[in-house]
Amino acid sequence: GQQLNQSPQSMFIQEGEDVSMNCTSSSIFNTWLWYKQDPGEGPVLLIALYKAGELTSNGRLTAQFGITRKDSFLNISASIPSDVGIYFCAGQLRGATNKLIFGTGTLLAVQP
Amino acid sequence: KAGVTQTPRYLIKTRGQQVTLSCSPISGHRSVSWYQQTPGQGLQFLFEYFSETQRNKGNFPGRFSGRQFSNSRSEMNVSTLELGDSALYLCASSFGGPSGANVLTFGAGSRLTVL
Repeated sequence: GQQLNQSPQSMFIQEGEDVSMNCTSSSIFNTWLWYKQDPGEGPVLLIALYKAGELTSNGRLTAQFGITRKDSFLNISASIPSDVGIYFCAGQLRGATNKLIFGTGTLLAVQP
Repeated sequence: KAGVTQTPRYLIKTRGQQVTLSCSPISGHRSVSWYQQTPGQGLQFLFEYFSETQRNKGNFPGRFSGRQFSNSRSEMNVSTLELGDSALYLCASSFGGPSGANVLTFGAGSRLTVL
């Protein structure tokens, strides 16, 4: 199945550090989404991006929709232990309604 | 308000059997999507239902099927189970408007193990 290229695959950081992860695709997307998944749970939406070039923040999280519509990044500032989890990007093609293509995921571990 | 409810949470089946998974969406949500999550393939779209009609379908064999009822609740069925069907099956609901990416709310998933 199709998956988006997401990097890095994993990150092990100290509490208080900033984190950056990104997703790239060969396809042009209408929408980019960022999700976080905790163990034993389903993904939870963090940020949704709807326009090329859009920069959106949600608390300590900031995400951008790439100008080419083929990439997106997510930044987390001043990480805290509860940021631990797997982060996924997801893209939606034009007209594909809720058929999302997910990235390969970034495992984030934060050491107190 | 209640979230997306999936049942059962865990189940074990043997090869060749079939399984039915259930999803109750958030009240007012008319769209239900199903995803399969495995370590090797990640999150893969199975299908989406809106107003009892399949609106989109992923690249899965015909052994995977689903349906949606008039109250928006959905079920998915996998027949003739194979070892590779072992996965976390996630259901997500949304209002299901015609344009743009609707905000999907995921359930906790049903973890299927095929022996």
